[in-house]
Amino acid sequence: ETGVTQTPRHLVMGMTNKKSLKCEQHLGHNAMYWYKQSAKKPLELMFVYNFKEQTENNSVPSRFSPECPNSSHLFLHLHTLQPEDSALYLCASSHPTRDRGYGYTFGSGTRLTVV
Amino acid sequence: TQLLEQSPQFLSIQEGENLTVYCNSSSVFSSLQWYRQEPGEGPVLLVTVVTGGEVKKLKRLTFQFGDARKDSSLHITAAQPGDTGLYLCAGAHSFGAGTTVTVRA
Repeated sequence: ETGVTQTPRHLVMGMTNKKSLKCEQHLGHNAMYWYKQSAKKPLELMFVYNFKEQTENNSVPSRFSPECPNSSHLFLHLHTLQPEDSALYLCASSHPTRDRGYGYTFGSGTRLTVV
Repeated sequence: TQLLEQSPQFLSIQEGENLTVYCNSSSVFSSLQWYRQEPGEGPVLLVTVVTGGEVKKLKRLTFQFGDARKDSSLHITAAQPGDTGLYLCAGAHSFGAGTTVTVRA
């Protein structure tokens, strides 16, 4: 148990489907993140939320839509994805002043396969 | 985006040997983190280094932050099979591509 819970752990979806990934933390962190991890590539930052406000969108296609209803929950809504979107999607949380060295707590990820 | 380069990409050693993994950048970081990731799981934070020249020890793992705060290293002494995993360095939302370490029994 890492303190950050992601569901589902595995997801297979067709290109015309709509699905959502869920992330939950009760660590008292106020910053939450979505990262994409593809084979043989560094983790790619997708979205950053600080105190429920989106503070960074790293040029992510609109078929990925984040939602942060409160500081403990983060969603990633998916629609009309492409096969190249298949990857491990990781949620993380931290204290908001990350550059002071608090580091991330990651969830176990959702392994997404788009068919 | 600040680029972090890790080397080597892969490392396979025998139990009991020592190893060093490097993380380099042309950018200055206020802090760097090291993580270990096992298959099917998210990365787990090992350490954060903040001060240039800083050395931190975590049992058999020694982490060093370069004086100019542009690079870092991770040294493992007497590696064990349980040290097997993907080691990632990170700073300012950016991650290196990682070093896959395999320790053979």
